[in-house]
Amino acid sequence: GAGVSQSPSNKVTEKGKDVELRCDPISGHTALYWYRQSLGQGLEFLIYFQGNSAPDKSGLPSDRFSAERTGGSVSTLTIQRTQQEDSAVYLCASSPGIAFRDEQFFGPGTRLTVL
Amino acid sequence: AQSVSQHNHHVILSEAASLELGCNYSYGGTVNLFWYVQYPGQHLQLLLKYFSGDPLVKGIKGFEAEFIKSKFSFNLRKPSVQWSDTAEYFCAVNGDTGRRALTFGSGTRLQVQP
Repeated sequence: GAGVSQSPSNKVTEKGKDVELRCDPISGHTALYWYRQSLGQGLEFLIYFQGNSAPDKSGLPSDRFSAERTGGSVSTLTIQRTQQEDSAVYLCASSPGIAFRDEQFFGPGTRLTVL
Repeated sequence: AQSVSQHNHHVILSEAASLELGCNYSYGGTVNLFWYVQYPGQHLQLLLKYFSGDPLVKGIKGFEAEFIKSKFSFNLRKPSVQWSDTAEYFCAVNGDTGRRALTFGSGTRLQVQP
């Protein structure tokens, strides 16, 4: 079946502009995660959605970052007033349910470059 | 706070060599441990995971990992690597309570030379 999809695959923007990144999780998956991967570093957790519960925003690095998930499916990560240090690959993952042990299925990522 | 250390940043092996990638974690409770792999141009995908039972777990493509609780380690092994194993390998952990998101190590880039 279809995996996690993300768009755009690449985004180049100028410092100070806002960007929106989109994630379509696997159908039926209730959990959705955003991570980012900066050059030479591991994946850094940003935000987690589970069903209709309040999201876990503990990983968001600043108030310029926000995310929403509409209808328990598609999610959008918004970065306002982008900075050069925001340049990274932003990865979305989904998992079937609430179990901590569930495999997370990752999308291809959006490579964000802030000039 | 959870943390994961992968001490080998870049490993170069010849085909048929044995592989062991180190992973050490810090966590104060029951852990779930994962190894993910990212082949060139592909998504991250799960190699194997451990949450309970036999501490030696087997995953896809001949990989295995051993959970040693006393050493806080979850090292990845393969007896004989192939050129197609060239990839980046990430160790990750979460617990059975608290934050569900994974904490990842910085990754190990494996290059297998034919």
